[in-house]
Amino acid sequence: DTGVSQDPRHKITKRGQNVTFRCDPISEHNRLYWYRQTLGQGPEFLTYFQNEAQLEKSRLLSDRFSAERPKGSFSTLEIQRTEQGDSAMYLCASSASSGNTIYFGEGSWLTVV
Amino acid sequence: GQQVMQIPQYQHVQEGEDFTTYCNSSTTLSNIQWYKQRPGGHPVFLIQLVKSGEVKKQKRLTFQFGEAKKNSSLHITATQTTDVGTYFCFSGNTPLVFGKGTRLSVIA
Repeated sequence: DTGVSQDPRHKITKRGQNVTFRCDPISEHNRLYWYRQTLGQGPEFLTYFQNEAQLEKSRLLSDRFSAERPKGSFSTLEIQRTEQGDSAMYLCASSASSGNTIYFGEGSWLTVV
Repeated sequence: GQQVMQIPQYQHVQEGEDFTTYCNSSTTLSNIQWYKQRPGGHPVFLIQLVKSGEVKKQKRLTFQFGEAKKNSSLHITATQTTDVGTYFCFSGNTPLVFGKGTRLSVIA
């Protein structure tokens, strides 16, 4: 399968624990995006990368959220000291360049108990 | 950045009825993309419109881009239960913000 893949697909964690999600974009795609989505809402933009450069991170929800894309290929999204309000689906997407079609992964569901 | 507003937020139709959702922007859009998200699923790309006045069809789905490139519509003819989901649009040049989309329910 050559689509965007995300891992893990589901994560249940206790409040206060750290979690990390991984995203492998479509190969050759140089842009990678992270979104969060809660029930009944549209995807909420968090951050995006052009190759390894993080071009926008002001919309990360708090300083507990961080993302990396060290080699310009896969990316990780880490949430430190999780809170119940962090429970959501975290979506990764990639595109070849600005304006091109964005392809989403199946998402990583986070439940904080 | 550019934002697009989508209406209606919800639509309930009887199976077989038509359905239309609209995207409106106050600024000219370079292009517009449409996505569908099934309940519990992830957004799936449907189509991209680039040219002024462009019309594209996918089976029962018709997509239009306004002449001024400030609005777009998605029309579904004779809805089926498989059309259930939320339909999102946004400008491909500002992939930062999605609207809430239009949630379509189809009553069999």
